Formats: sequence, structure tokens, C-alpha cells
Amino acid sequence: KAGVTQTPRYLIKTRGQQVTLSCSPISGHRSVSWYQQTPGQGLQFLFEYFSETQRNKGNFPGRFSGRQFSNSRSEMNVSTLELGDSALYLCASSWEAAGGSETQYFGPGTRLLVL
Amino acid sequence: DAKTTQPPSMDCAEGRAANLPCNHSTISGNEYVYWYRQIHSQGPQYIIHGLKNNETNEMASLIITEDRKSSTLILPHATLRDTAVYYCIVMKTSYDKVIFGPGTSLSVIP
Repeated sequence: KAGVTQTPRYLIKTRGQQVTLSCSPISGHRSVSWYQQTPGQGLQFLFEYFSETQRNKGNFPGRFSGRQFSNSRSEMNVSTLELGDSALYLCASSWEAAGGSETQYFGPGTRLLVL
Repeated sequence: DAKTTQPPSMDCAEGRAANLPCNHSTISGNEYVYWYRQIHSQGPQYIIHGLKNNETNEMASLIITEDRKSSTLILPHATLRDTAVYYCIVMKTSYDKVIFGPGTSLSVIP
């Protein structure tokens, strides 16, 4: 079974621009979470989607948004990019069974550099 | 703040067992302990998880204390490819606001 895929893998943008990152979960997985990883702040939870609905959100400004499509693929968007948005953006998917925890499987990430 | 604490770094000789500790003294009854590792800023790789019983898979073993306040990840025969940052997290559901701490940087030494 193919793993989580993220596109693009690398991206360079300038301040003020916006960017859209894409994530395709493992086939059959319906939950998609997004994380930001920077050297200073580590891995931070952005938001999680299930059945096209955002169920949880981390402490990030409104410039960070996301959505999920009916096929469970997800996109995240960052508007008005700032230098501090340079990071590795990770997507993780899980199956979501009733009750109990669910293992999240991570993609390779999109490395965003804002100049 | 992360719900877990781990030593910032550890060394292990190649071929020996690597024992990585994790403290999660505030874990609640329905939270699982998960271990992931991250190599060279790739995406984190799932290793193992457990609720209260010890668990073993092809990668590692997880020992959870009876009071569930701490756990140990055991890599039975460490290789150079096990050099990575290891994260211990606690999580109830897939949509928890998962908080990753800084993890333990494990260096496997030839």
C-alpha cells in the first residue's frame, strides 16, 4: 500500500506570497493532520480533518488554513507568507476506527523556504 | 507543554540494546503511549504504541510501567541506521492536539 504523499517536496516563495501544499493520505485513511516543524519550535500541530470537517486546530494564526476533499486528500494554504513560515510541513493520515487511538503515518514533508 | 519528558540525547554502541526512557506522569487512563522516530528531517516514522501492556513488534519493544507513568522503548540490536531523534507522545485519538516534545537524539556509535 502506498504511503502518505506530499507535493511539492520543496518550495521557495517570497514574503507576502501565498502557498498551497497538498497531501494524499494512505488509501482508506480518512483522517489527515498537518504539522509544522522548525528548528526553534519543533513539531507543532496545525489542524486535523476528517470527512471534510476540521475537528481540531492548533495555535496558529488565521493565515494558516486547510481543507479536505471527499476523497480524503487535503490541502493547506498559508497566505501572506512571513520569513518565520519557513519550515518543514508534515502531513499525517490515520484510519480512524471507532474508539481507541489511531496510529498516524507521516508523509515525507514539504520543505518551504520563504525569502 | 509536552506531556512527556525525555533525555535530550543518548549514545549506544552498535549491536547493543538501546533503551530510551520516557516520563509521562500525567497520562490519563485512555491515553496511549506512542513512539516515533525521525531521521534527517524526513517525516516521522511510527515505531510502536501501547496502552498498558508491554508490546513488541519487528522494530522494537515497549515496556510500560504498571502505574503507566513512564515507559521505555527498547531497540534490541541497534544499528547505525537507528541514529535518529526518538519522540515519545501520548494520544487518545487521531485528532488530539498532539504535542511533540524535543525528543531524544540517539547516536549509535560503531
